[in-house]
Amino acid sequence: GEDVEQSLFLSVREGDSSVINCTYTDSSSTYLYWYKQEPGAGLQLLTYIFSNMDMKQDQRLTVLLNKKDKHLSLRIADTQTGDSAIYFCAESFNDYKLSFGAGTTVTVRA
Amino acid sequence: GAVVSQHPSWVICKSGTSVKIECRSLDFQATTMFWYRQFPKQSLMLMATSNEGSKATYEQGVEKDKFLINHASLTLSTLTVTSAHPEDSSFYICSARLGTGNTIYFGEGSWLTVV
Repeated sequence: GEDVEQSLFLSVREGDSSVINCTYTDSSSTYLYWYKQEPGAGLQLLTYIFSNMDMKQDQRLTVLLNKKDKHLSLRIADTQTGDSAIYFCAESFNDYKLSFGAGTTVTVRA
Repeated sequence: GAVVSQHPSWVICKSGTSVKIECRSLDFQATTMFWYRQFPKQSLMLMATSNEGSKATYEQGVEKDKFLINHASLTLSTLTVTSAHPEDSSFYICSARLGTGNTIYFGEGSWLTVV
């Protein structure tokens, strides 16, 4: 996890956009993933992006990748209370092992 | 979407006993599965890569004789924690790679408590 860093907490008002940031150090990563984890549960795959892409959009989710700066972000539009969870970014390599960040706890307030 | 199921969801066992956790890909074949461990409020730590029909590949510092992994079919990998101790108590979560693609799905996780 030390190769992938995330801010630990994010508080956002319901209806606003959330932006979760992630930085990584290994430029040889092939894919970058975003997962959501609710309390006591497993990880839900939200989206992933190929390391040569710079943007991917999927409904309310937008992933931006700045390969030069090794910076990845996940934007959640119109954040809802059900979006409260821990969000993990992870990078993978040719062997598909995932290296995770520490996770960002997102709290959505009314 | 693809589903990865783990069983049991939670288990309590006595020190010194062994416990097996199953990871199944329900609607796809997974030649490669992974086992992770997560401590409370921490990130996931990769333990090993489970390859169908061959020996698992363990990460540095993970005892292969303690954490036995078997990947007997394209839809099932098992993790057996042998001679469990309280420090083995943790959340164990598996993932499976969808075929030869880039999608990696995770199971619901298994809580292990050793008393």
